[in-house]
Amino acid sequence: GENVEQHPSTLSVQEGDSAVIKCTYSDSASNYFPWYKQELGKRPQLIIDIRSNVGEKKDQRIAVTLNKTAKHFSLHITETQPEDSAVYFCAAKTSGTYKYIFGTGTRLKVLA
Amino acid sequence: EAEVAQSPRYKITEKSQAVAFWCDPISGHATLYWYRQILGQGPELLVQFQDESVVDDSQLPKDRFSAERLKGVDSTLKIQPAELGDSAMYLCASSLEWGLSTDTQYFGPGTRLTVL
Repeated sequence: GENVEQHPSTLSVQEGDSAVIKCTYSDSASNYFPWYKQELGKRPQLIIDIRSNVGEKKDQRIAVTLNKTAKHFSLHITETQPEDSAVYFCAAKTSGTYKYIFGTGTRLKVLA
Repeated sequence: EAEVAQSPRYKITEKSQAVAFWCDPISGHATLYWYRQILGQGPELLVQFQDESVVDDSQLPKDRFSAERLKGVDSTLKIQPAELGDSAMYLCASSLEWGLSTDTQYFGPGTRLTVL
């Protein structure tokens, strides 16, 4: 069935360093890839997304890249800050069922 | 800014009891999703509605779970009887239109269920 793998499961970086989270999807029909940030006890919040006709998208310190051939997309956070500490989820939406498949999450810790 | 509303925020129940969760999507959003999120894992889709119709309920344990969205607006998810393994966060989300391949999904605050 459809699957999204996410790595790493935990990531610790020093404040100011960059963080990279990677996801791989199985359904080649997927065409929309959002990233969500979830702080403890709060709802997942959309932070950035990318469509399948785009290779890269950037919003201030956050960027997402997509490699359709490899079925792989990544989240890049530069100049990390303590408030970036949270769990990050990637997701893939298939064009057939319009269903979202989520990754297992990455717990990011930014050390001050 | 409009948000998805859910209630209750927390629910503690004993196994074999019935529980119900309510969700009110963002006004005008035709698509509504119910997810279950076990601690440390990503959300798992239980059921997806387009207006009042079920689009996907392939992962819904139909022997004990039911969901409805009678007027195509708010929705209720029910568990009867609850089991210990049902302890999780139940998230509701909505999006503007099911058929849009790039439709953004917005989440509610969730209901944290504890089954004793």
